[in-house]
Amino acid sequence: DAMVIQNPRYQVTQFGKPVTLSCSQTLNHNVMYWYQQKSSQAPKLLFHYYDKDFNNEADTPDNFQSRRPNTSFCFLDIRSPGLGDAAMYLCATSALKSGDTEAFFGQGTRLTVV
Amino acid sequence: GENVEQHPSTLSVQEGDSAVIKCTYSDSASNYFPWYKQELGKGPQLIIDIRSNVGEKKDQRIAVTLNKTAKHFSLHITETQPEDSAVYFCAASPFNNDMRFGAGTRLTVKP
Repeated sequence: DAMVIQNPRYQVTQFGKPVTLSCSQTLNHNVMYWYQQKSSQAPKLLFHYYDKDFNNEADTPDNFQSRRPNTSFCFLDIRSPGLGDAAMYLCATSALKSGDTEAFFGQGTRLTVV
Repeated sequence: GENVEQHPSTLSVQEGDSAVIKCTYSDSASNYFPWYKQELGKGPQLIIDIRSNVGEKKDQRIAVTLNKTAKHFSLHITETQPEDSAVYFCAASPFNNDMRFGAGTRLTVKP
């Protein structure tokens, strides 16, 4: 059974039109991450939540926002998608923030901007 | 912060041969080193990991070695099969900090 579920798997949005990607987890993990992965590149961390504590990476554009209404759900909001935001967006969870804890990834949402 | 380098970027082997992927890291505080396999259109899946108190770990055809002094770790796949074809990412994670990925290796196993 999938433990980290991302919806939708594929999302097409118009240039400049706000879009929201969702992630849910059944693991009751404290930490939830959002990564952006462009073609043939490694996943790049955008931000993460440790419980309700939000941690933004220094180079994450303001265009990207996140919400975590409860332990199970986390959302990625792209306020005004540009063509350069087309990518696979990956959600991951881990039990602890400490570095030696396995991260579980969802299947990703592939975002296309037209 | 942590910087992870991964080599080679592409690797092609014949079915049945071994494949080796190498990574180096910069932060001596890193103590967790997972390897992920990513198939086309899917999220990364953990295949094996090693912690800093262990030098080698094996799981069937997959093994990982870690040299903390030299700050490098390697993935070894023996008796490769076509279904091993994928992109493999190494990662390093300092205690109480975020995981950093290598750039990935595209492995192709030719039947």
